[in-house]
Amino acid sequence: QVQLQESGPGLVKPSESLSLTCTVSGGSISLYFWNWIRQPAGKGLEWIGRIYSSGSANYNPSLKSRVTMSVDTSKNQFSLKLSSVTAADTAVYYCARDKVPRGGSDGMDVWGQGTTVTVSS
Amino acid sequence: DIQMTQSPSTLSASVGDRVTITCRASQSISIWLAWYQQKPGKAPKLLIYKASSLESGVPSRFSGSGSGTEFTLTISSLQPDDFATYYCQQYNSYWTFGQGTKVEIK
Repeated sequence: QVQLQESGPGLVKPSESLSLTCTVSGGSISLYFWNWIRQPAGKGLEWIGRIYSSGSANYNPSLKSRVTMSVDTSKNQFSLKLSSVTAADTAVYYCARDKVPRGGSDGMDVWGQGTTVTVSS
Repeated sequence: DIQMTQSPSTLSASVGDRVTITCRASQSISIWLAWYQQKPGKAPKLLIYKASSLESGVPSRFSGSGSGTEFTLTISSLQPDDFATYYCQQYNSYWTFGQGTKVEIK
């Protein structure tokens, strides 16, 4: 079955950019939307955005100015870049797949285990 | 932006209890609502989609209802494995999560 694995630096300095990659295994990245969600310690979930396998993306309006997502179908990976980070961006970052292919949604049915990113000097 | 408000924030219950969690949207989202269960240190797990459709493999004691702006998640008979935090999520316009409801042991 499809599995997701996040990877990237666990520590980022304030004002720098956070970059994470999610590797899709057990299935193709094609025809689905792929999401990034984050969760500060002890708090709720925040949707960051999603990207289709073609590269078309939707971002959370509150983060849009700092977020860039990309997809590499040859590597079955998609990525998140969040610029100008502050301590408020410290969180567990998850990648997840929209349940329905071809632009549908119906929630997110496959999730990575999450990776902790700390913003600190 | 569509805001999602869950109630209560915390719920104390016993094994065997019937539990209901409410999620309200700031504007109509039709039936475009999902429910997730999250346990400490784990990723969320999809339980319900389209407000009332049960995800494959999810026990039938979980059910969802509602449309428009008001939705409920019901656990008909709470089991030990069900003590967790539950989130609603709208997918009508962008995606937004509720703040979560922690179901704890009474």
